[in-house]
Amino acid sequence: GQQLNQSPQSMFIQEGEDVSMNCTSSSIFNTWLWYKQDPGEGPVLLIALYKAGELTSNGRLTAQFGITRKDSFLNISASIPSDVGIYFCAGVIQGAQKLVFGQGTRLTINP
Amino acid sequence: ETGVTQTPRHLVMGMTNKKSLKCEQHLGHNAMYWYKQSAKKPLELMFVYNFKEQTENNSVPSRFSPECPNSSHLFLHLHTLQPEDSALYLCASSQDGAWGANVLTFGAGSRLTVL
Repeated sequence: GQQLNQSPQSMFIQEGEDVSMNCTSSSIFNTWLWYKQDPGEGPVLLIALYKAGELTSNGRLTAQFGITRKDSFLNISASIPSDVGIYFCAGVIQGAQKLVFGQGTRLTINP
Repeated sequence: ETGVTQTPRHLVMGMTNKKSLKCEQHLGHNAMYWYKQSAKKPLELMFVYNFKEQTENNSVPSRFSPECPNSSHLFLHLHTLQPEDSALYLCASSQDGAWGANVLTFGAGSRLTVL
């Protein structure tokens, strides 16, 4: 069954706006990863998180590993046209030794 | 060449054809993966190879046959596929097959269309 719930599924924003997306689960995670996929390309790693409460930035991107270890969020500040794409969360479930992916958040930016 | 390279990028085949997808990684990694990406669905893990040995087969139909001759190369042989097998097939690699701290590096994918 579905183990990761990523929301929203799609976003339509204006250039310059901030963006927030998250992934939640009923399972406990040891690792959270955030990937971005451009059209016609494979996913590229943006941020990796390994500890509960960890807050990590990569330029205008910030991601956090939730304190409960059941969720993570990704924020993008001051969006620009090249931020368009599909953002995926992925996580390693404690004790399950497998990587599960969210359904993705499709980001569209109006100039 | 750097990273993970997949060929062909696009493939159209009939249901009776036999074709292969190729993946090559230049990262010195020891684990390689095949994922299937269909529209509006999460990435589906198909196979995992760690040090050339298959360590996971995620209940994939036998019409998909993987081959890993060495740690740098991975193939997916396709035979008598169905239209619902049309998807983007992504290859990935990681340092080793331990899921905990390893992140996956993905190739650009092979877009497969089955007529």
